[in-house]
Amino acid sequence: EVQLLQSGGGLVQPGGSLRLSCGGSGFTFSSHSMGWVRRPPGRGLEWVSAITGSGGRTFYSNSIKGRFTISRDNSENTLYLQMDSLRGEDTGEYFCVKDIWDREITMIFDHWGQGTLVTVSS
Amino acid sequence: DVQMTQSPSSLSASVGDRVTITCRASQDISNYLAWYQHKPGKGPKLLMYAASTLQPGVPSRFSGSGSGTDFTLTINSLQPEDVATYYCQKYNSAPWIIFGQGTRLDI
Repeated sequence: EVQLLQSGGGLVQPGGSLRLSCGGSGFTFSSHSMGWVRRPPGRGLEWVSAITGSGGRTFYSNSIKGRFTISRDNSENTLYLQMDSLRGEDTGEYFCVKDIWDREITMIFDHWGQGTLVTVSS
Repeated sequence: DVQMTQSPSSLSASVGDRVTITCRASQDISNYLAWYQHKPGKGPKLLMYAASTLQPGVPSRFSGSGSGTDFTLTINSLQPEDVATYYCQKYNSAPWIIFGQGTRLDI
């Protein structure tokens, strides 16, 4: 059974940093592109970032580019999102996501983590 | 940038009803469209992709149609467990994707 188990998140002041983690199991982690999607309060889903299976290519939405860094440790089957220079508008529920097929990046997400809340506030 | 517009933004229906949610793209996206169901406290669930290909395990009362700019998600014989927010998502320019704003479905 595929599982994505998230950790991290919490309350942070504007300008601060947080790191989210997502452990994958039940599939060949290194073969699948992974990513992060968030849902700001009262709004819909927003794509944040993606990374290829090897970790060789990374992609970011314009709203977080230069502030967030996506990475992965395939030896530990873990995906990360390092969030720096956090702003109030980064507040929301963050989900890690798994691409449906291996060896290509389709951005169809067949499995989602349980979500973790990030609150940026003074 | 391509915009994805869902309608309605919310709706209320009765058990057994047929429900239709539409998603319109501002540009032609062929059939590069997915639908997700999101219930509170959980991660969203993929219902279908390629506009009409049902993900394994999704009940057959869910169906999708459309191509180009206009798409539809239909739920036949609505069940209480279908209460959720539904999102469309375009992926023709992967990895840069866009979700619709969501449709909240109540019973």
